[in-house]
Amino acid sequence: KQEVTQIPAALSVPEGENLVLNCSFTDSAIYNLQWFRQDPGKGLTSLLLIQSSQREQTSGRLNASLDKSSGRSTLYIAASQPGDSATYLCAVVFKAAGNKLTFGGGTRVLVKP
Amino acid sequence: DTEVTQTPKHLVMGMTNKKSLKCEQHMGHRAMYWYKQKAKKPPELMFVYSYEKLSINESVPSRFSPECPNSSLLNLHLHALQPEDSALYLCASSQDPSATYEQYFGPGTRLTVT
Repeated sequence: KQEVTQIPAALSVPEGENLVLNCSFTDSAIYNLQWFRQDPGKGLTSLLLIQSSQREQTSGRLNASLDKSSGRSTLYIAASQPGDSATYLCAVVFKAAGNKLTFGGGTRVLVKP
Repeated sequence: DTEVTQTPKHLVMGMTNKKSLKCEQHMGHRAMYWYKQKAKKPPELMFVYSYEKLSINESVPSRFSPECPNSSLLNLHLHALQPEDSALYLCASSQDPSATYEQYFGPGTRLTVT
């Protein structure tokens, strides 16, 4: 069964510290992996999409890596700010599941001023 | 512009009511999706439309009825819902039904069934 896991479920850091968010998945046969941000009661904002042939993607302070062989992705957020406080979701498109996003449970992040 | 819009933002309905949720995108995307999200849980896929045809139904109860009148518009018709159907309903779209494209989400409709 294809599953996506995010540990820890919650994380609190002081402002300015770098954030490291983890995502693991059970099947290395994937099309891509997408990181999202969700503010309370709001929709999902796409942060980064990494195709299966890529090792990393960068956008501003965000950098995401992908290691298919070990079934892991890491989202790095440099120099965190209080505005980065949100839930971060990792989602994978497994080849066996067709065009379907399988989500992890999310990591709730609090950046303290 | 990568915007997906959803209306209404909030909806309260009784168990005997009939209502509809609306989703719109003008990015020329040919795949559209409905997701359901319960509090503190990740989104769960309900339906996928590819080129205006229903391609995936994740065994959703028939009290939820999707419709795709054209390539820009996606509706979700609701009838005889239960209180446990209260959730955030999210719409998404992607350029193509191929699994390699990024999905863009709308702000969601917060549904409360009384």
